Amino acid sequence: DGGITQSPKYLFRKEGQNVTLSCEQNLNHDAMYWYRQDPGQGLRLIYYSQIVNDFQKGDIAEGYSVSREKKESFPLTVTSAQKNPTAFYLCASSIGTSGSYNEQFFGPGTRLTVL
Amino acid sequence: GDSVTQMEGPVTLSEEAFLTINCTYTATGYPSLFWYVQYPGEGLQLLLKATKADDKGSNKGFEATYRKETTSFHLEKGSVQVSDSAVYFCALSEGGGFKTIFGAGTRLFVKA
Repeated sequence: DGGITQSPKYLFRKEGQNVTLSCEQNLNHDAMYWYRQDPGQGLRLIYYSQIVNDFQKGDIAEGYSVSREKKESFPLTVTSAQKNPTAFYLCASSIGTSGSYNEQFFGPGTRLTVL
Repeated sequence: GDSVTQMEGPVTLSEEAFLTINCTYTATGYPSLFWYVQYPGEGLQLLLKATKADDKGSNKGFEATYRKETTSFHLEKGSVQVSDSAVYFCALSEGGGFKTIFGAGTRLFVKA
């Protein structure tokens, strides 16, 4: 079955540590995205990538980093510079980035808690 | 800039009641419009979409019509079920753009 997988589902981190969230898709989609969701709020875009070896900052990129070395993988690193990293992180992909082709397919999410 | 505004929740209904969740948008061009649903502890799933004015998207008994004159895309369902309890997000995507703009979400509770 095609889809997006994120791991782990729950992640705990001590303050000052970097942590990497995994996102893999087998939909053959060109575009991938990372969002942050806080309780009672909508989604905020962290980073997105339209093609391999290219990515762009979203609205809240500070304290985060990404890579896109393979089409199917788009890992997100939450660095110690992120002041308030506890949140629910969602990875998504789309065929392209234009209009209706921006229909997004989401993974199940990773809940990160900083202790 | 582009934006999406949807009604605040939570919305609490009894089973078989009629549902409306209001959504209005502002956009500079001619966006595609979407409704996504998020069940507890999960990612979002596309519920329905419409790509041009007067299009009606529909799925699982839910409907929404793209109204350009009122810049609206209200979600409706004639008879809700307990299993419809979730958070619903209205969203837009401009042609030629990369971004999807999401509303804040509306939580729906359906009581048996």
